[in-house]
Amino acid sequence: GAVVSQHPSRVICKSGTSVKIECRSLDFQATTMFWYRQFPKQSLMLMATSNEGSKATYEQGVEKDKFLINHASLTLSTLTVTSAHPEDSSFYICSARTTRQETQYFGPGTRLLVL
Amino acid sequence: AQTVTQSQPEMSVQEAETVTLSCTYDTSESNYYLFWYKQPPSRQMILVIRQEAYKQQNATENRFSVNFQKAAKSFSLKISDSQLGDTAMYFCAFADTGNQFYFGTGTSLTVIP
Repeated sequence: GAVVSQHPSRVICKSGTSVKIECRSLDFQATTMFWYRQFPKQSLMLMATSNEGSKATYEQGVEKDKFLINHASLTLSTLTVTSAHPEDSSFYICSARTTRQETQYFGPGTRLLVL
Repeated sequence: AQTVTQSQPEMSVQEAETVTLSCTYDTSESNYYLFWYKQPPSRQMILVIRQEAYKQQNATENRFSVNFQKAAKSFSLKISDSQLGDTAMYFCAFADTGNQFYFGTGTSLTVIP
């Protein structure tokens, strides 16, 4: 149980284009989903927290107009990187949890490369 | 603010031996949760073990156990009978009552055949 999927696992795009990453909880309802960014050999950096049906809460320094988050259902959250630039290249990881649990379950991550 | 410190950037252990990874944290809260996650080369974050702060008994999960010292704010992970598949980055994490996670900087563990 507690499986979280992410799609795509890897994406390469041109500078200036937008990229959408999907995060799904496969066997549980995720009232809260989290989006992280991880640079090589570093820890996870929380970008935003999204609750189903409401606007995401962004961490300080994260541009909400650049990283659009939508949590339209209890099993799906999307992160859209708008007008991507090479500095947005990174590993993006989502996680999900229910209201009854403190544990976060993580997706397998998405490697984004912006050329 | 909550902080999590992992003071060992890299560690190694011989296969079948035991290794302990250190983690300390700082908080003013009395109720919280602590976790160890494993991130192998695939980069999938895998939950290893979980501890509720209000429970005095140390959590155990097969070959993985923790030494939770609440007064000292210490939460170390012991891996017994180390296996090659245990090679990974290990992250200690703290979750407060608002359920936000705070991660340590990680410890890279290598199991040597």
